[in-house]
Amino acid sequence: DAGITQSPRHKVTETGTPVTLRCHQTENHRYMYWYRQDPGHGLRLIHYSYGVKDTDKGEVSDGYSVSRSKTEDFLLTLESATSSQTSVYFCAIRGDSRYGYTFGSGTRLTVV
Amino acid sequence: KNEVEQSPQNLTAQEGEFITINCSYSVGISALHWLQQHPGGGIVSLFMLSSGKKKHGRLIATINIQEKHSSLHITASHPRDSAVYICAVPNYGGSQGNLIFGKGTKLSVKP
Repeated sequence: DAGITQSPRHKVTETGTPVTLRCHQTENHRYMYWYRQDPGHGLRLIHYSYGVKDTDKGEVSDGYSVSRSKTEDFLLTLESATSSQTSVYFCAIRGDSRYGYTFGSGTRLTVV
Repeated sequence: KNEVEQSPQNLTAQEGEFITINCSYSVGISALHWLQQHPGGGIVSLFMLSSGKKKHGRLIATINIQEKHSSLHITASHPRDSAVYICAVPNYGGSQGNLIFGKGTKLSVKP
């Protein structure tokens, strides 16, 4: 969707390797979120940011870290990937549009 | 923490049928969101509503604040409506601006 992009779209990585996912927005919105989506669980919050260098944990934050050095970029890092982190990851921004939230296209991560 | 329940979990319909998906939540909210996700696809926001009814094309969303219930209706359903529909509400008392999501309703519309 216009205004928010995620990269990469797909990634396969080995257990124990570090992985960084990127979320980039062009909307200059303050709030950004990282979610993971798993069968039977729906979408769950990993971390979120409410400004540059201002981040906090969500309900499934163990094994993940984030950074936001610029308004437009929100990075999600798996320091040492595990098979339980195989999932689809979505970034979202909260703005003032009629819909409130805009989601990225998702990153499908497979840890083998 | 708000709890969100959607029904049904799965729904199969014939093209042209009228579809209703339901969403109930436990804590009063300021706005409720309906989202759509096509197979293998991204998530698209359909509606954000705080009262009454909204309509966009063949999609209609309603909300009853007193009963803590919302419905998403699809009129004259079409195979391209096949997707997962997700209801979401704010997580008051939790992370700022975070949403709590239902587990989704998987809709399949047969030609």
